[in-house]
Amino acid sequence: NAGVTQTPKFRVLKTGQSMTLLCAQDMNHEYMYWYRQDPGMGLRLIHYSVGEGTTAKGEVPDGYNVSRLKKQNFLLGLESAAPSQTSVYFCASRMEGNTYNEQFFGPGTRLTVL
Amino acid sequence: SQQGEEDPQALSIQEGENATMNCSYKTSINNLQWYRQNSGRGLVHLILIRSNEREKHSGRLRVTLDTSKKSSSLLITASRAADTASYFCATDASTSGTYKYIFGTGTRLKVLA
Repeated sequence: NAGVTQTPKFRVLKTGQSMTLLCAQDMNHEYMYWYRQDPGMGLRLIHYSVGEGTTAKGEVPDGYNVSRLKKQNFLLGLESAAPSQTSVYFCASRMEGNTYNEQFFGPGTRLTVL
Repeated sequence: SQQGEEDPQALSIQEGENATMNCSYKTSINNLQWYRQNSGRGLVHLILIRSNEREKHSGRLRVTLDTSKKSSSLLITASRAADTASYFCATDASTSGTYKYIFGTGTRLKVLA
């Protein structure tokens, strides 16, 4: 099993450009999450999904959109990138069920917006 | 922000010593989890402690939880150079099965050989 994979690994954008980050998991997990990690800030939740076709806002959703058309994929979109969105983005997934299941993380996407 | 706080922010010890890092959080929780992040990598789950548990062990890891103080500690005994990483606590305070996690700011641990 590949676990959680993220595409691309690195990307440089100019202000105003758009892009989509892809997260894929092969563990048949119901829940998927997008986080951003900034120095000294830990991980902050952007959006999450509790199942195919559903999405919800996290702590810092502004400037991002997401879609979960297929259970195994969770896409994060930036419609008009801003320098403040320079960050490392992590996707995670977990099984449904009780609160005691762990999250599995992807390797991250390092995004720089100039 | 609902983020938890961890201290110390950075910790440097010699191989063989014990490392202790602390996490404080703000709301009532269902459980608290600890994750490790090696440089440039994603997070890896280490251990979970439920809200009704006070202490848990896993190999060289010992986690305590004090819900009255809203704090937890992670102890790594007999540290190794391979333990060099950042460590994060994450709390699940969600209701209605949304399972959203609040991460702490992390402790950077450096173990010197």
